[in-house]
Amino acid sequence: GNSVTQMEGPVTLSEEAFLTINCTYTATGYPSLFWYVQYPGEGLQLLLKATKADDKGSNKGFEATYRKETTSFHLEKGSVQVSDSAVYFCALSDRGYSTLTFGKGTMLLVSP
Amino acid sequence: EPEVTQTPSHQVTQMGQEVILRCVPISNHLYFYWYRQILGQKVEFLVSFYNNEISEKSEIFDDQFSVERPDGSNFTLKIRSTKLEDSAMYFCASAGGNTEAFFGQGTRLTVV
Repeated sequence: GNSVTQMEGPVTLSEEAFLTINCTYTATGYPSLFWYVQYPGEGLQLLLKATKADDKGSNKGFEATYRKETTSFHLEKGSVQVSDSAVYFCALSDRGYSTLTFGKGTMLLVSP
Repeated sequence: EPEVTQTPSHQVTQMGQEVILRCVPISNHLYFYWYRQILGQKVEFLVSFYNNEISEKSEIFDDQFSVERPDGSNFTLKIRSTKLEDSAMYFCASAGGNTEAFFGQGTRLTVV
């Protein structure tokens, strides 16, 4: 079956630091890959996505590249802000609209 | 921007009582989902609904759970006899034929 593995949190960074949150997956076929973000007290918001190998998803300064050879979809941001503090979930689906399999989530804490 | 809306935002119920969680998906979407997130844990899939029937369900979605789309706009999750371990954040999501899932803000269910 499908599975997603994310690095354990919390990740604690100072403002303007570089961020990487690792995500690897196991799936049959060619899944679509997603990063969702959950700000404190809020629901899940789609941050970015990639639907095929070598695609790069990007949004709000965050990027992730779909690497089929390493089955990875690591999230990166060059300079984090305090407002980026949230829980980040890596997820996959077999098709864009199908059931999502989530990782456990990684909490990011950014201090001024 | 269209969004998925969920009501109530917080529900407190006594163990053994029935609860109904309500969702209004995005109007032209065809696929509807319920997920849940027990505090501090990963987001877990419960059930998907398409063409007025359940298309997929997880092991969590036992006979205590049911879903309904009673009037073409609402999508409800009913828990017949709540248990303490049903306490969680419940997320509704919807998707179009070629789009990813959009999530609501969630309903926090507390069973006491």
